[in-house]
Amino acid sequence: IAGITQAPTSQILAAGRRMTLRCTQDMRHNAMYWYRQDLGLGLRLIHYSNTAGTTGKGEVPDGYSVSRANTDDFPLTLASAVPSQTSVYFCASSRDRNSPLHFGNGTRLTVT
Amino acid sequence: AQKVTQAQTEISVVEKEDVTLDCVYETRDTTYYLFWYKQPPSGELVFLIRRNSFDEQNEISGRYSWNFQKSTSSFNFTITASQVVDSAVYFCALSEDGGYGNKLVFGAGTILRVKS
Repeated sequence: IAGITQAPTSQILAAGRRMTLRCTQDMRHNAMYWYRQDLGLGLRLIHYSNTAGTTGKGEVPDGYSVSRANTDDFPLTLASAVPSQTSVYFCASSRDRNSPLHFGNGTRLTVT
Repeated sequence: AQKVTQAQTEISVVEKEDVTLDCVYETRDTTYYLFWYKQPPSGELVFLIRRNSFDEQNEISGRYSWNFQKSTSSFNFTITASQVVDSAVYFCALSEDGGYGNKLVFGAGTILRVKS
C-alpha cells in the first residue's frame, strides 16, 4: 500500500543522546515535511524539503537537522536530545502545491 | 503573520446531534488556502478539505459541511447527525502557498467526543 512509513513507532531516549527518526514515502512526492505535535499547540513545522537535494527551516528548527539525499527518504536527526523535544513527530509529503499533505502515522518520542 | 484560532478546545455531544467546529484565521494575503484535517484516536492525520480564498461557496460532503466566510475570516466545519466514529481531534490550517506544507499553519485543534 502506497504511503509514508515512519520508524520507530515510539522511542524513549535519554537526554543528550543522538536520535534519527526515519521517514520513507513511495508515492514519488516532491515535497516532504517534519512536524511536531504538542498538546494545545497543534502541529508545528520543523523542517521541510520541496525537492530532493534541498531543505528549509520551518517554525521550530532548533535542535533538529534533516537531509534529502533522494526523493523517498527524509530523516530527522536530533543531535543531542533534550526533554523539551518530547513530542509526537509526523512526517508528511505532497506531490505538488495543488495537492494536500499525506501524513505518516507518527513517532512518539520521550526524552528523559 | 498567519494565525489560526480554534477557540473550542473540546466539545462533547451525544450521537445524532449536529456539531460545529469553529475556525478563525488571520492573514495579510489575498490569496490563501484553508484546510481541515481529522486525527482519529489511532493517531494518523486525514485530509478532509482544501478551499482557496477565491471560492466562498459552501461545500457539503455527506454529513460534513464547511462554511467559508471571508467577511469574518472564518472557515467553520459542521458535522450533521454526529456518530461515535466522528470522535477525533480536528485541525484547521491555513496556507499562503497552496498545498505545500512549508507555509502551512495549524490551529491548536478541537477534540470532539461523540457519546452513544
